[in-house]
Amino acid sequence: GIQVEQSPPDLILQEGANSTLRCNFSDSVNNLQWFHQNPWGQLINLFYIPSGTKQNGRLSATTVATERYSLLYISSSQTTDSGVYFCAGSQGNLIFGKGTKLSVKP
Amino acid sequence: DSGVTQTPKHLITATGQRVTLRCSPRSGDLSVYWYQQSLDQGLQFLIQYYNGEERAKGNILERFSAQQFPDLHSELNLSSLELGDSALYFCASSALGSGGADTQYFGPGTRLTVL
Repeated sequence: GIQVEQSPPDLILQEGANSTLRCNFSDSVNNLQWFHQNPWGQLINLFYIPSGTKQNGRLSATTVATERYSLLYISSSQTTDSGVYFCAGSQGNLIFGKGTKLSVKP
Repeated sequence: DSGVTQTPKHLITATGQRVTLRCSPRSGDLSVYWYQQSLDQGLQFLIQYYNGEERAKGNILERFSAQQFPDLHSELNLSSLELGDSALYFCASSALGSGGADTQYFGPGTRLTVL
């Protein structure tokens, strides 16, 4: 199966800062999703983005399928952005990375 | 709110016992997936059902089984529980059964603690 690597594993930001999270895949995927797991454990869909660029408010994501990576951009971070960000890809069923743990300090 | 519901939210039980976790997919979704999130293994796919039929199997133990009923809700049965089965169990649903190529929406999870 595919391998999913996320970086960085941990990230500490001051409120208002911008950040970029990266996800690399060992093989091509037909599904790529980004999730935010909040401190209460809920997994929240952010983007379904097997290719191209999407934006939703302060968040945007870009996937370059030919180079097997995806980026999640968080601008003007807020304390409510804290949690773990997962990317997941699939050729059949979703394979999750280990996540990036983000802490936004006030 | 993703539209996927899971019950119960929390479950505490003893080793050797059997439990059933329940999931209702989003309205109109035909596929249900089960995932396990543990500290040491991360988020792992267990099994997928599509319109009542098993579609794909992942790292699911033989002590675990699932089914999807005609009304499309699904149950995950965990038996002969061990301490290592303590985890957060997620259900997800999607519209299609197309081998992962559509958006999966996750429920709030069931936190299982085995004592």
